[in-house]
Amino acid sequence: VQLVESGGGLVQPGGSLRLSCVASGFIFDEYGMHWVRQAPGKGLEWVSGITWNSGSKGYADSVKGRFTISRDNAENSLYLQMNSLRLEDTALYYCAKDRGGNSGYYDYWGQGILVTVSS
Amino acid sequence: DIVMTQSPDSLAVSLGERATINCKSSQSVLYSSNNKNYLAWYQQKPGQPPKLLIYWASTRESGVPDRFIGSGSGTDFTLTINSLQAEDVAVYYCQQYYTAPIVAFGPGTKVDIK
Repeated sequence: VQLVESGGGLVQPGGSLRLSCVASGFIFDEYGMHWVRQAPGKGLEWVSGITWNSGSKGYADSVKGRFTISRDNAENSLYLQMNSLRLEDTALYYCAKDRGGNSGYYDYWGQGILVTVSS
Repeated sequence: DIVMTQSPDSLAVSLGERATINCKSSQSVLYSSNNKNYLAWYQQKPGQPPKLLIYWASTRESGVPDRFIGSGSGTDFTLTINSLQAEDVAVYYCQQYYTAPIVAFGPGTKVDIK
């Protein structure tokens, strides 16, 4: 199993970024997927999750209305569209795979991609 | 929303001794229809992504040493590390997935060697 994130970088407050996570080594469309972030020196914060068929999506209150999660099962890819970025969105963003179906706990994680929001 | 808390924030334990980490949820994560607690534990070492240790509050993930023991039910949970090894130095997080796909992590507990 491999999860490889991309799309991070430096962006100004109010700007946008789109993160991608390409999955391999498992049947992508059988599992829920999630984004979890970690601000520098801080703990884990769940950001967003999506069920295997995109039938259900969830967002942390801190990103609701600004971030949109999506997936393309044909491309084995997970996305996070991040708009109206704030300084406090600066973090390492991890892509994570549900252990079983849409379990909500994660057996594989990517290495993370850094998003820095700064003027 | 279910809020997770952990105690202590950090602890230092001698090699070979026991480390105990507590986790509390603001409401029960025990699902009565299947009698399962929707609670997981993760270990995160510096510079690495988290690693799943335990799910359903007490089921060890494959390959996790049996010195890691999860216990508890309802709102109160414990991760016990028996006979602490040097490689166990890490931050440990509990997570509720009762409300999946919306989930929540605890703030973490840092374990060091005394």
